[in-house]
Amino acid sequence: GENVEQHPSTLSVQEGDSAVIKCTYSDSASNYFPWYKQELGKRPQLIIDIRSNVGEKKDQRIAVTLNKTAKHFSLHITETQPEDSAVYFCAASYTASKLTFGTGTRLQVTL
Amino acid sequence: GAGVSQSPSNKVTEKGKDVELRCDPISGHTALYWYRQSLGQGLEFLIYFQGNSAPDKSGLPSDRFSAERTGGSVSTLTIQRTQQEDSAVYLCASSLEVGNEKLFFGSGTQLSVL
Repeated sequence: GENVEQHPSTLSVQEGDSAVIKCTYSDSASNYFPWYKQELGKRPQLIIDIRSNVGEKKDQRIAVTLNKTAKHFSLHITETQPEDSAVYFCAASYTASKLTFGTGTRLQVTL
Repeated sequence: GAGVSQSPSNKVTEKGKDVELRCDPISGHTALYWYRQSLGQGLEFLIYFQGNSAPDKSGLPSDRFSAERTGGSVSTLTIQRTQQEDSAVYLCASSLEVGNEKLFFGSGTQLSVL
């Protein structure tokens, strides 16, 4: 089955700096890669996703890149703000019914 | 409803007891998923439903775990003879249909087995 590894487990950046979170996956058949944000005590929410037919996708300060050859994808957050502080999960899927999640990255944006 | 609703929000039980966790998906969503989130871990897939049927039960950790969905809406996850290692947050999610991967999560049930 699919295996997703996520790094780093914790990340601290100063407000205004960029943050990058990286994930690798094992199953070359995976074709859908979402990112979820989970604020403390709240439910995970989808923030951005990418499919294997594109290499990059942007949404305001958030971008995701995908390297199918290397089987890794990354989340980039620019101009970080305190409200970006949360746990971020990457995931991969090829069945469209079963997402395999990474173990999460706790992002702390300091003033 | 406005979102995915789960109950109870917290459940404390004694080892060996059975528990039932409930999920009420967004109205009109035909796909429903159960995940488990242990402390410091990612989200572990348990089972998904398309309508009332469960094509993939591969994530259920043992035969103590079962789930059902009736009327294409509410789902219950049952854990029999609970063990301490079952302690976790159980998250339910729904999507419009299988193949529409955008999942909407509930707030979860925090299960503590003493």
